[in-house]
Amino acid sequence: GAGVSQSPSNKVTEKGKDVELRCDPISGHTALYWYRQSLGQGLEFLIYFQGNSAPDKSGLPSDRFSAERTGGSVSTLTIQRTQQEDSAVYLCASSLAPGTGSDEQFFGPGTRLTVL
Amino acid sequence: QKEVEQNSGPLSVPEGAIASLNCTYSDRGSQSFFWYRQYSGKSPELIMSIYSNGDKEDGRFTAQLNKASQYVSLLIRDSQPSDSATYLCAVTATGFQKLVFGTGTRLLVSP
Repeated sequence: GAGVSQSPSNKVTEKGKDVELRCDPISGHTALYWYRQSLGQGLEFLIYFQGNSAPDKSGLPSDRFSAERTGGSVSTLTIQRTQQEDSAVYLCASSLAPGTGSDEQFFGPGTRLTVL
Repeated sequence: QKEVEQNSGPLSVPEGAIASLNCTYSDRGSQSFFWYRQYSGKSPELIMSIYSNGDKEDGRFTAQLNKASQYVSLLIRDSQPSDSATYLCAVTATGFQKLVFGTGTRLLVSP
């Protein structure tokens, strides 16, 4: 079956511009996660959505970052007024709901964001 | 102290040997443990999950978990050059679904 898809695969933007990154989870997966991976840094958690529950936003690095998930499926991560330190690969993952016996997270191909 | 620690490597092994990758974690409440493989320029690929103490085998891969020692390991038998990649250890944080990752161990398998 289809895996997690993300778009765009690459995004180059100028400092100060806003960007939107999209994630389409695996069909049937109700949990969706955003992470980012910077050069020399590990993978860091950004935000988690599960069904209609309030998202866990504890990993968002600043108020310039926001995310939404419409209809319990597709999610958009928005970064406002981008800074050079936002340059990273943004990864989306999805999993079955907690308590289903499998919380394995499967990653999409990522969006490489470069802020000039 | 980092929450999830791995030796960055590189770990070099000859083709056909056993590669042993180790990971320690600090959160005693962690319940789920994962190993991901990441090739250069690609996203992480899940290769093993383990939830209870002991060993779990899947093909050439064996994951080992010791919650008392807060230690997770991955053994790769009959290592192949195609196994050359960075291996990421990840654990769930207590009370949360998010994964906390180590910085990864780079494995090099020489023909």
